[in-house]
Amino acid sequence: EVQLVESGGGLVQPGGSLRLSCTASGFTFSSYWMSWVRQAPGKGLEWVANIRQDGSEKYYLDSVKGRFTISRDNAKNSLYLQMNSLRAEDTAVYYCARDHGYCRDYWGQGTLVTVSS
Amino acid sequence: QSALTQPASVSGSPGQSITISCTGTSSDVGGYNYVSWYQQLPGKAPKLMICDVSNRPSGISYRFSGSKSGNTASLTISGLQAEDEADYYCSSYSSRSTHWVFGGGTKLTVL
Repeated sequence: EVQLVESGGGLVQPGGSLRLSCTASGFTFSSYWMSWVRQAPGKGLEWVANIRQDGSEKYYLDSVKGRFTISRDNAKNSLYLQMNSLRAEDTAVYYCARDHGYCRDYWGQGTLVTVSS
Repeated sequence: QSALTQPASVSGSPGQSITISCTGTSSDVGGYNYVSWYQQLPGKAPKLMICDVSNRPSGISYRFSGSKSGNTASLTISGLQAEDEADYYCSSYSSRSTHWVFGGGTKLTVL
């Protein structure tokens, strides 16, 4: 059974940093692109970033470029999102998702990031 | 403001059919057959319902179908059931720097 479990969310002050993790199981992690997608409270979904199987290609939402870094450790079946210079508008539930072609076929339950003083 | 436009809400009675539209541009919906649809139940993670415009993943009911015409994609749910009540989001690959775009979501109410 495919499982994605996010962790690392919490309350952080504006300008602060946070590192999210996603641990995958039930499939060959190193064979898939992976994504982060977020959802602000009461709002819709917003793609944040994705990464190629070997980490050689990474793509970002314009508003997070230069602040967020996506990475992965295939030996640990783990996906990461390093978030720096956090802003109030980054407050959201962050989901880890498996890319299947041009779709996201499995999603974790999400981890809440709150940016507030 | 979302890149793709969806109606905020739709409703239907059990057994009826409804259609949710998703309008984009030639840079996303109209330019690629990479439209997907997701169902999100309250407090839950999104679930893939349709991939690549019209493909149903394994385990998804035949009552869900997708199509596209020009810059508008559509999700049709036939034989509405109470359990279909949820938020539905469309998504598309985009040739713009955003790469991936979502619609604002449509709340489906089963009357």
